[in-house]
Amino acid sequence: DVKVTQSSRYLVKRTGEKVFLECVQDMDHENMFWYRQDPGLGLRLIYFSYDVKMKEKGDIPEGYSVSREKKERFSLILESASTNQTSMYLCASSLIRDNQPQHFGDGTRLSIL
Amino acid sequence: GEDVEQSLFLSVREGDSSVINCTYTDSSSTYLYWYKQEPGAGLQLLTYIFSNMDMKQDQRLTVLLNKKDKHLSLRIADTQTGDSAIYFCAEKGYALNFGKGTSLLVTP
Repeated sequence: DVKVTQSSRYLVKRTGEKVFLECVQDMDHENMFWYRQDPGLGLRLIYFSYDVKMKEKGDIPEGYSVSREKKERFSLILESASTNQTSMYLCASSLIRDNQPQHFGDGTRLSIL
Repeated sequence: GEDVEQSLFLSVREGDSSVINCTYTDSSSTYLYWYKQEPGAGLQLLTYIFSNMDMKQDQRLTVLLNKKDKHLSLRIADTQTGDSAIYFCAEKGYALNFGKGTSLLVTP
């Protein structure tokens, strides 16, 4: 079974802090994704990566950056956290072949005070 | 981009069938997916359908695809209280393009 593990289920940080959200997958997937989920807005793609050291902007990359130094790990970085980044963050991974679905972690609920 | 559309809420009685509808945007989508999200959890893949199919059945789940109308539906037979969750349809783009989710409430 595919396992996507997000390092924290709940996280509370302060405005202006640099925040790291970590995601690890154990199935040698090429693709990894970060989404945020907000009530009434559904899931929105922040960044994705299709290979080590490769990254692509999604629909809402502003205020975020990512790092993919190893194939199994994809980090989301909030450079200077703001209250409007309070959200549920979901990581996903998939094989690169076209028909392969994405597998999700359990999410990190991040609160910025 | 354009939105994948779903109704926001559905309430059914235990034992009845549930039908969740979705309208997607890209007629060239090769795969369409249904995900389930239980409270406080991530998204769990329920099923997916390839665009050259018009129906797929998997135990209590039936997926119907109408490519002409870009309409996808998920039918859950004999709905149970454990089926209460948010259901997302998604189409394959460069990532996945999700609908906003349908909250299914199953009452005893």
